[in-house]
Amino acid sequence: GAVVSQHPSRVICKSGTSVKIECRSLDFQATTMFWYRQFPKQSLMLMATSNEGSKATYEQGVEKDKFLINHASLTLSTLTVTSAHPEDSSFYICSARELGRGNTEAFFGQGTRLTVV
Amino acid sequence: GDSVTQMEGPVTLSEEAFLTINCTYTATGYPSLFWYVQYPGEGLQLLLKATKADDKGSNKGFEATYRKETTSFHLEKGSVQVSDSAVYFCALSHLSYSGAGSYQLTFGKGTKLSVIP
Repeated sequence: GAVVSQHPSRVICKSGTSVKIECRSLDFQATTMFWYRQFPKQSLMLMATSNEGSKATYEQGVEKDKFLINHASLTLSTLTVTSAHPEDSSFYICSARELGRGNTEAFFGQGTRLTVV
Repeated sequence: GDSVTQMEGPVTLSEEAFLTINCTYTATGYPSLFWYVQYPGEGLQLLLKATKADDKGSNKGFEATYRKETTSFHLEKGSVQVSDSAVYFCALSHLSYSGAGSYQLTFGKGTKLSVIP
């Protein structure tokens, strides 16, 4: 099956610094990638949708200047958390949909546990 | 808008017990329905899916039937194992009509299952 690799799996950073999370589709080309945030004991909340070569579409309430998304190629999307604060600590998960597929399946990365101290 | 409601957890079962996790949805049109599983410390994995009414998705002994009349997609397994301990998410998706071919998943809050020997 299709594989999505997310890196790093865990990161600890200091308040005020920026953190970049990478999401790669390893064996397929991803038309669209999605970034989710998961709070403890809560469901996944969609943060933004990105299509290769165009600006990301952010969900209501998500600060686009804080969560920078770059989908520069058909196999790579990055999420940068800028000027991180402790309240940004969360589990971030990306998913990707394969180019040309007629179905609605998406494949998920392993997730990144971000802790801001 | 779309929404997914699944039974509150946690659910604790003995090995070989029968499992049912209820899921109902609210959506316009004819969404695709999914069950995802999240093992501790990992991202989401697609467990099974159904794309139209009366379809039955099945995988690893788990089953769920798309019931349009009751707007439900309950997950069942006849005999659970310790290795089934995880969080289970019910989800639905539509194809958006933005022309970009993007879509997004709407998740339930998740149900944590613990299976004890």
